[in-house]
Amino acid sequence: LAKTTQPISMDSYEGQEVNITCSHNNIATNDYITWYQQFPSQGPRFIIQGYKTKVTNEVASLFIPADRKSSTLSLPRVSLSDTAVYYCLVGDENFNKFYFGSGTKLNVKP
Amino acid sequence: DADVTQTPRNRITKTGKRIMLECSQTKGHDRMYWYRQDPGLGLRLIYYSFDVKDINKGEISDGYSVSRQAQAKFSLSLESAIPNQTALYFCATSGFTGGIYNEQFFGPGTRLTVL
Repeated sequence: LAKTTQPISMDSYEGQEVNITCSHNNIATNDYITWYQQFPSQGPRFIIQGYKTKVTNEVASLFIPADRKSSTLSLPRVSLSDTAVYYCLVGDENFNKFYFGSGTKLNVKP
Repeated sequence: DADVTQTPRNRITKTGKRIMLECSQTKGHDRMYWYRQDPGLGLRLIYYSFDVKDINKGEISDGYSVSRQAQAKFSLSLESAIPNQTALYFCATSGFTGGIYNEQFFGPGTRLTVL
């Protein structure tokens, strides 16, 4: 199970683009990269998933370089409501286990 | 109605007591999970079940047991609660979508305090 490394915390201001990078040096060929968001006292919520290059949805973009040893979650024009913990997970198509780690605590300031 | 429900939402109990946390889902998913979260930390997997007859230990299963009574129900038991089991407990489900099990859906959590 490829474990991940993320910054413990990040600060940003409203309206800015935020990029959170995750390192997963031991990612396997069949592994996907998934990001979750968690607000205090709530369960995590799926944001985005990708395998390679770039994935975009209505909430975020996920950038994955060719070697796939890292990935970057990009949140465009953050607002105060984006203040949360963001988790990067790696797993194969069966996702037999989800390892959440400690995540990155994003603090968006006015 | 919520897709994943947990009962109770809050529970205070005493050391040595047996306690059961219950989880139900209406998503029709085959996989269910129990996690605990301690303040300021990430989620740690306690047990997971791929179907009614397939139950597996996670990272921190000692002191816990589970029962998958039906596809939609997954219960977590603390046989003899101890104070360091005080935590926020989450149940989650996942199903096979688009060729992979790519997303977990979480319940609202149960806040357990063991005195």
